[in-house]
Amino acid sequence: EDQVTQSPEALRLQEGESSSLNCSYTVSGLRGLFWYRQDPGKGPEFLFTLYSAGEEKEKERLKATLTKKESFLHITAPKPEDSATYLCAVQWDFGTSYGKLTFGQGTILTVHP
Amino acid sequence: EAQVTQNPRYLITVTGKKLTVTCSQNMNHEYMSWYRQDPGLGLRQIYYSMNVEVTDKGDVPEGYKVSRKEKRNFPLILESPSPNQTSLYFCASGEGEGYEQYFGPGTRLTVT
Repeated sequence: EDQVTQSPEALRLQEGESSSLNCSYTVSGLRGLFWYRQDPGKGPEFLFTLYSAGEEKEKERLKATLTKKESFLHITAPKPEDSATYLCAVQWDFGTSYGKLTFGQGTILTVHP
Repeated sequence: EAQVTQNPRYLITVTGKKLTVTCSQNMNHEYMSWYRQDPGLGLRQIYYSMNVEVTDKGDVPEGYKVSRKEKRNFPLILESPSPNQTSLYFCASGEGEGYEQYFGPGTRLTVT
């Protein structure tokens, strides 16, 4: 069964303490892997799309990387405003229907000042 | 302003009373989708639509219907709501095959 698993479930960091979030997947025919940020009470906000192993994307303090089995979201010198739930999602190709998206359960990141 | 709007934002209803949650986007996106978000289960896709001619099931379509008569609107219909459909619902739209999705503000539904 195709699955998307994120770890850790929750992560507490001190401001400036860099770390990484993990998203592992077991899907065949990966079409794209996506990272979203979700603040409490709001809809997810798009961060990155990765299409193939070895690809990297950066935005401010965030950097997303992709291998054949997992993706990492690296957070460098985080600030309290980076506190949010980070979601990864996988879109895969299975025949004629390729618009299906599966989300992981998310990592709740808290950055203390 | 580019946005996805949902209405209503909050709804409390009773078992069996048909309801519709509207979703509209002003970005001319082809792709639209509905999700529900539940504690411990995360965000799960209900239905998606690649364009006005193609709509398909996500992971949890049972008990829901959708309609894509025009590009900008994608209503979610609960013909006979049950308590297990109590959840936070999100509509989203995206360009092309839906790679970069923009989410609406969410609709919190309670079915008693």
